[in-house]
Amino acid sequence: TQLLEQSPQFLSIQEGENLTVYCNSSSVFSSLQWYRQEPGEGPVLLVTVVTGGEVKKLKRLTFQFGDARKDSSLHITAAQPGDTGLYLCAGPRGGAQKLVFGQGTRLTINP
Amino acid sequence: NAGVTQTPKFQVLKTGQSMTLQCAQDMNHEYMSWYRQDPGMGLRLIHYSVGAGITDQGEVPNGYNVSRSTTEDFPLRLLSAAPSQTSVYFCASSYSAGIYNEQFFGPGTRLTVL
Repeated sequence: TQLLEQSPQFLSIQEGENLTVYCNSSSVFSSLQWYRQEPGEGPVLLVTVVTGGEVKKLKRLTFQFGDARKDSSLHITAAQPGDTGLYLCAGPRGGAQKLVFGQGTRLTINP
Repeated sequence: NAGVTQTPKFQVLKTGQSMTLQCAQDMNHEYMSWYRQDPGMGLRLIHYSVGAGITDQGEVPNGYNVSRSTTEDFPLRLLSAAPSQTSVYFCASSYSAGIYNEQFFGPGTRLTVL
């Protein structure tokens, strides 16, 4: 079983729609990160959330850290084809350098 | 800056063969890590290093060796490849181990073991 569970694992929607991706755990994390990965490339950091209840916005992407610091969500408003990719959440476990990752959400935005 | 570079990009091995996956970074980062990515499992930490001469095991270290003789390089060695090691391997580096630690990933090496 994954320490970080992401849902849904696959999501295909039309351009202009809104969507939310979830990252859940039964454990408390000191921080959570979201990465985006495109085919043939390594993941790229989008955001780090560190405070329970924290909300961070990156253009049309809104990230929230749960009050109990056990979960996080990524909301995309008016999705565009350029948002297509694999979204991964990650958090430190046993040391800041030891990241554990969720299994990822593969997002496809259709024109 | 080239960032994090990995070679080779693709590799096919036969069971029992050995090989070294190369990783280099030119950002003067102290921290480097190796991950493997398998379908439906995200990334899993194999080994990591907090500086030259210092390495430690991650979540899935068996079958892999690492060393860190310089700040720039962090090679991953497979001593006797097994089909279960078929995966995509990513090297990453970061400036610090703080709470806002951002890991910079290389483009990956796709390894197939027959």
